[in-house]
Amino acid sequence: KNQVEQSPQSLIILEGKNCTLQCNYTVSPFSNLRWYKQDTGRGPVSLTIMTFSENTKSNGRYTATLDADTKQSSLHITASQLSDSASYICVVSGGGADGLTFGKGTHLIIQP
Amino acid sequence: SAVISQKPSRDICQRGTSLTIQCQVDSQVTMMFWYRQQPGQSLTLIATANQGSEATYESGFVIDKFPISRPNLTFSTLTVSNMSPEDSSIYLCSALGADSYEQYFGPGTRLTVT
Repeated sequence: KNQVEQSPQSLIILEGKNCTLQCNYTVSPFSNLRWYKQDTGRGPVSLTIMTFSENTKSNGRYTATLDADTKQSSLHITASQLSDSASYICVVSGGGADGLTFGKGTHLIIQP
Repeated sequence: SAVISQKPSRDICQRGTSLTIQCQVDSQVTMMFWYRQQPGQSLTLIATANQGSEATYESGFVIDKFPISRPNLTFSTLTVSNMSPEDSSIYLCSALGADSYEQYFGPGTRLTVT
């Protein structure tokens, strides 16, 4: 069964600090892995998309890594800001939009 | 990129009634989808909205309960019929960009059934 597991479930850090969110998956076949940011009351917004051959991809202060051998990904947030408070969802695609498997997300709270 | 709008943004409905949610995309997209997101849970795909034909439903979802229309490439509706408190959830419209790679999501409709 295709699964995406994210950890931690929730995380509280101080503004300005860095943090790393984890995603482990057992999805086959594998096409790409996506990280989304979902603000409260909003729909998910794409941060990064990585294919099998990509190990790392950055989007501003967000850097995602992918190890396709161990089926693990991480999202690193540098110099966190209050606006980073959101849920971060890891999504693995097996090819075709209807083949998406969603994680439950990590709820991140940035405190001043 | 594509911007997706949904109406209403939230509603409180009585048991046994129906609610239709509208989804509008501001640019050409290939596929459109409807998801449900229950508190603390992952997004669950309800169905793929097909233009001009019946939607394709995922296991556990049926047309009588969640009728879907997609009269053109950029507009779709989802109706939640004969609602019960278990239908309380966030319903999200989603679309696959013209490149068939990037997937966009609407802001969601928060439904509460009393």
